[in-house]
Amino acid sequence: EAQVTQNPRYLITVTGKKLTVTCSQNMNHEYMSWYRQDPGLGLRQIYYSMNVEVTDKGDVPEGYKVSRKEKRNFPLILESPSPNQTSLYFCASSTLAGGYGLFFGSGTQLSVL
Amino acid sequence: DAKTTQPNSMESNEEEPVHLPCNHSTISGTDYIHWYRQLPSQGPEYVIHGLTSNVNNRMASLAIAEDRKSSTLILHRATLRDAAVYYCILRDGHYGGSQGNLIFGKGTKLSVKP
Repeated sequence: EAQVTQNPRYLITVTGKKLTVTCSQNMNHEYMSWYRQDPGLGLRQIYYSMNVEVTDKGDVPEGYKVSRKEKRNFPLILESPSPNQTSLYFCASSTLAGGYGLFFGSGTQLSVL
Repeated sequence: DAKTTQPNSMESNEEEPVHLPCNHSTISGTDYIHWYRQLPSQGPEYVIHGLTSNVNNRMASLAIAEDRKSSTLILHRATLRDAAVYYCILRDGHYGGSQGNLIFGKGTKLSVKP
């Protein structure tokens, strides 16, 4: 089954404790991306990757890192989480062609205390 | 900068058609128009996309204005399960352009009344 898998589904952590949210897709997609969703602000793009070893900033990249060492994985890293990074996070993937849709993961609800 | 503009919310009655508008006045010639929807407590899911011509699939229809500066997602018979937030976005079909930076915005929250 074609899918984008995010882990964990829920995460509670404390300020400053490094964490990684994993994202994996099984569709051989070149493109992967991370979004955060906050009440009243909609979906905002954090980082995206057009292919292995190619990453670029989205609209809200501050405080986040990503890596794309393998085509299937695109982890989101918070080196020193802060409470303003409490949010619902989504990973998405697709082929590079503009005429193909994005597949989204089920989301990761992160709370930073 | 938001590339698309959608109403914040819309209401519909069950079993009636729904027309969800989207304005994209700065669309470029290589931009595809994509629609996604997000059901409560779920991730967004792809609905439909188009470039110039109107498109139909099992979920919805997409009507694109002749000048491509606006589009309308049409749900032919709304059901309670169609209550969701609907996002209209532009995706550049030209590799290496702005293809990676996708702006979703806040979308339109559709409520369906029984």
